[in-house]
Amino acid sequence: NAGVMQNPRHLVRRRGQEARLRCSPMKGHSHVYWYRQLPEEGLKFMVYLQKENIIDESGMPKERFSAEFPKEGPSILRIQQVVRGDSAAYFCASSYDRANYNEQFFGPGTRLTVL
Amino acid sequence: AQSVTQLGSHVSVSEGALVLLRCNYSSSVPPYLFWYVQYPNQGLQLLLKYTTGATLVKGINGFEAEFKKSETSFHLTKPSAHMSDAAEYFCAVSDRSGNNDMRFGAGTRLTVKP
Repeated sequence: NAGVMQNPRHLVRRRGQEARLRCSPMKGHSHVYWYRQLPEEGLKFMVYLQKENIIDESGMPKERFSAEFPKEGPSILRIQQVVRGDSAAYFCASSYDRANYNEQFFGPGTRLTVL
Repeated sequence: AQSVTQLGSHVSVSEGALVLLRCNYSSSVPPYLFWYVQYPNQGLQLLLKYTTGATLVKGINGFEAEFKKSETSFHLTKPSAHMSDAAEYFCAVSDRSGNNDMRFGAGTRLTVKP
């Protein structure tokens, strides 16, 4: 059973470009979470999605960031018009059930560098 | 809203020595508590979790943690450090509402000296 998969593992963008980060949850998991980790900081919650629904986006910046989890395919975190401050590691996690003691399984992360 | 404080951003121990990583939480209701480990350039791996029942929780790689409600703490310990334990450790708290609202501490980087 493959774990949570994220791609790309490393992404370099110039200021003003768009970044698309992909997350495939574990098989059988329908809940996906995105976190951002800035250097020397812990993980900050961004958004929680179920298939075709955004459940909680309280951690998402109000502009330029969006997320989706379509019926088919991976979850996508999209950052438009990236700025240097967006450089960070972005982690995706998935869980089987929101009530499953909230245990989340993490992917290896995507490290975004904005030049 | 719950929050987590990890005391000490860096901890250094000698191989074979006791490992103690501190975590205090703030929550209006008894929470779920977790410790995750992150090796360089990797994602987070669950070490152990407390949900209910016995307050001393045993995890992988010889780690354990004790939930102390009176002290609002969930410190992580290991009797004897191994070189392979060098990593970043994150304490996390989640409430019992089922909202999957997990909050992480800032992390503690553990260094193990030979």
